[in-house]
Amino acid sequence: EPEVTQTPSHQVTQMGQEVILRCVPISNHLYFYWYRQILGQKVEFLVSFYNNEISEKSEIFDDQFSVERPDGSNFTLKIRSTKLEDSAMYFCASRSGAGYGYTFGSGTRLTVV
Amino acid sequence: GIQVEQSPPDLILQEGANSTLRCNFSDSVNNLQWFHQNPWGQLINLFYIPSGTKQNGRLSATTVATERYSLLYISSSQTTDSGVYFCAVIQGAQKLVFGQGTRLTINP
Repeated sequence: EPEVTQTPSHQVTQMGQEVILRCVPISNHLYFYWYRQILGQKVEFLVSFYNNEISEKSEIFDDQFSVERPDGSNFTLKIRSTKLEDSAMYFCASRSGAGYGYTFGSGTRLTVV
Repeated sequence: GIQVEQSPPDLILQEGANSTLRCNFSDSVNNLQWFHQNPWGQLINLFYIPSGTKQNGRLSATTVATERYSLLYISSSQTTDSGVYFCAVIQGAQKLVFGQGTRLTINP
């Protein structure tokens, strides 16, 4: 079964540093998403991406965050200057179209120290 | 925005027992998914079920869209079923909105 692949699985970074989380969505999928889950809490929407642009973003997705699909296969989430409260599990997801289910990657656990 | 409420928040059972998890949502939805988050944090898709009933082995799910709820049934529970079960809905636009989850613990 096709998978969404995320790297790294775990990243530790110092406060103020930039991090890039990487995702390879399923190849024929058109819609891409980032979600995050702070430890013990529910999964929250960050941003959706379609046709090479952001289609929706949440209040959490402020100017410190950006997304990119640099080469037609990778989908990245950049956090410019990390804060302690950015520590969370970050999930990438994709789907082939409206009316289809989401497939999630296995997540990147980001720890900001 | 749409509210998604799951019950119970916690459920502790013995191996072999059956369980029913409930998901209520506050408005009409286009689609609904059930996920299992395992102890390693991975979100495993269980069902994509906007309406009707589906079964996969010991698990089944029913969504009654007109009454705004979905149920996840787990029969003959095993310790590997432990984890957090999330219901998530899609309303109109693209994003998936998650409930708070039900933490299921199956004791041997």
